[in-house]
Amino acid sequence: DAGVIQSPRHEVTEMGQEVTLRCKPISGHDYLFWYRQTMMRGLELLIYFNNNVPIDDSGMPEDRFSAKMPNASFSTLKIQPSEPRDSAVYFCASSVRARAAGKNTEAFFGQGTRLTVV
Amino acid sequence: RKEVEQDPGPFNVPEGATVAFNCTYSNSASQSFFWYRQDCRKEPKLLMSVYSSGNEDGRFTAQLNRASQYISLLIRDSKLSDSATYLCVVNSETSGTYKYIFGTGTRLKVLA
Repeated sequence: DAGVIQSPRHEVTEMGQEVTLRCKPISGHDYLFWYRQTMMRGLELLIYFNNNVPIDDSGMPEDRFSAKMPNASFSTLKIQPSEPRDSAVYFCASSVRARAAGKNTEAFFGQGTRLTVV
Repeated sequence: RKEVEQDPGPFNVPEGATVAFNCTYSNSASQSFFWYRQDCRKEPKLLMSVYSSGNEDGRFTAQLNRASQYISLLIRDSKLSDSATYLCVVNSETSGTYKYIFGTGTRLKVLA
């Protein structure tokens, strides 16, 4: 398996523009997570999906951010309009829920999208 | 209070040294625990899971203390290649949620 695939790897955009980040989770994984990483705040969970359904979006900073998962193999995170403070690395991760007690299952990360809003 | 707290470091240690990191978590219902490693400008990758009985993987030992709600990572015989940020991760399954919460990470620099 190719792992979690994110695109683009780098994005530079002007303030006010719409930005769309894309993610393809590992096949068979039923959880998908979007994180944002900055030096000041570390890795913050923005939203996660289970079987394509958004479960918890309490980490989404404001209405400018939205995420969708139209099917099991694709998710998007959209920022509209973008602002300089949105500059960060955005990671997508996927996992499969442990089927047995006492078994840990890890989250696998994509390589991230480095977003710069100028 | 943050759900998962770590000392950000940096820890600067000479090659061959033993170094230990601690991490505390606030949700007593947390069930799964991990240490991840993140290299500069790379994605986080699993270093090891942490089990109640403690577990070892080569030079790395992880311990879990549920009563005190902390997790530790011990690295023996440090190598230059161990230089990275180590992230403590907790997965809580409560009220139908299932999410990985990351600490802010502890930076380690191993010096020649």
